[in-house]
Amino acid sequence: AQSVTQPDARVTVSEGASLQLRCKYSYSGTPYLFWYVQYPRQGLQLLLKYYSGDPVVQGVNGFEAEFIKSNSSFHLRKASVHWSDSAVYFCAVAPNVGDNSKLIWGLGTSLVVNP
Amino acid sequence: GGIITQTPKFLIGQEGQKLTLKCQQNFNHDTMYWYRQDSGKGLRLIYYSITENDLQKGDLSEGYDASREKKSSFSLTVTSAQKNEMAVFLCASRDRDQDTQYFGPGTRLLVL
Repeated sequence: AQSVTQPDARVTVSEGASLQLRCKYSYSGTPYLFWYVQYPRQGLQLLLKYYSGDPVVQGVNGFEAEFIKSNSSFHLRKASVHWSDSAVYFCAVAPNVGDNSKLIWGLGTSLVVNP
Repeated sequence: GGIITQTPKFLIGQEGQKLTLKCQQNFNHDTMYWYRQDSGKGLRLIYYSITENDLQKGDLSEGYDASREKKSSFSLTVTSAQKNEMAVFLCASRDRDQDTQYFGPGTRLLVL
């Protein structure tokens, strides 16, 4: 069955440190992959997405993610985090190429950035 | 830009009560979604709709009804609220061209 795993429920880093949030997926075909962010008491917002081509995709606010097919991973990275990056981050995969109306979601990783 | 509005923001109900949550979007998107968000369980899809009057069950549809009478609105009904239930219900709509879901701020449910 298709699934998305975010192995870290919570990550704590200091402001200015680099960040990696892990995401692994299980999918038999070529995946479409997404990262969304949820700030406190808000809905989710798209950070970035990958369809094909360059495996490193850039998103908003300095975030990027790298698709590594051999590892079935799509980890999110940021070179230097800010306290305002504290939020919950969700990885998701579209299970049906050509029909992305449904996404399979990971459980999310709560990021805490200490000032 | 557009916006998704969810009402009410907070909903307190009694066990066994039927409760209705409403969602409006002015993006003119075709597809809309209802998700349930529980702590530690991520997002679970309850219902979605790909056009007016269409309804598709998600993984968590049991115990819920939905209605899409207009393109801009999508309602969710909890048919019988469960005691001590606490969750956030998120509505979203999808921009097919950008392949992006846009979310509302959520309705927080507490059942006493």
